Amino acid sequence: GEDVEQSLFLSVREGDSSVINCTYTDSSSTYLYWYKQEPGAGLQLLTYIFSNMDMKQDQRLTVLLNKKDKHLSLRIADTQTGDSAIYFCAGTGGGADGLTFGKGTHLIIQP
Amino acid sequence: GAVVSQHPSWVICKSGTSVKIECRSLDFQATTMFWYRQFPKQSLMLMATSNEGSKATYEQGVEKDKFLINHASLTLSTLTVTSAHPEDSSFYICSARGDRGLYGYTFGSGTRLTVV
Repeated sequence: GEDVEQSLFLSVREGDSSVINCTYTDSSSTYLYWYKQEPGAGLQLLTYIFSNMDMKQDQRLTVLLNKKDKHLSLRIADTQTGDSAIYFCAGTGGGADGLTFGKGTHLIIQP
Repeated sequence: GAVVSQHPSWVICKSGTSVKIECRSLDFQATTMFWYRQFPKQSLMLMATSNEGSKATYEQGVEKDKFLINHASLTLSTLTVTSAHPEDSSFYICSARGDRGLYGYTFGSGTRLTVV
């Protein structure tokens, strides 16, 4: 099945850009997703990218997809304190079309 | 946008009792619902997938007799944790997928279950 890997922590200064990276194994994933989870809360869909796209931009968010290397990244421009959360990348490839999640990257914002 | 409502947000129950968690799609028809479990500081693990009107498909290692899933209508799925034990304490999150493509992967707000 799908395996999704992420680094566990990322620390950035407020106002800088954050880049969260993810690698995956199943090249048949049709969509790849980025979700945000704040403490004690559910998952909020941030953005997604279709597997035949290389890049997608949505306001402060930019998703880059390198299909050859099976590498996905999420760039958050002008990082704010409200961006502090855990970010999960996920792809289809789990059993019966459920999503397979990475372990999540904890984004820490320094003042 | 699509909204999935999950209740309760948190529940504390005694060992040996059963707990039911509800997941409702509020503004779309959810042909498929997914149930995930999340341990503290860990990722989400898919437990089972349910399609409206049919039996749920459980992931390997998930006890179907302990985690009963019912998807009786296009807007409601329930997860019942039967004969709960402290090791069942976890954060349970549902996700719904409908016939509107991407909106299907909409998540509920989660249920924190504590078994004492």
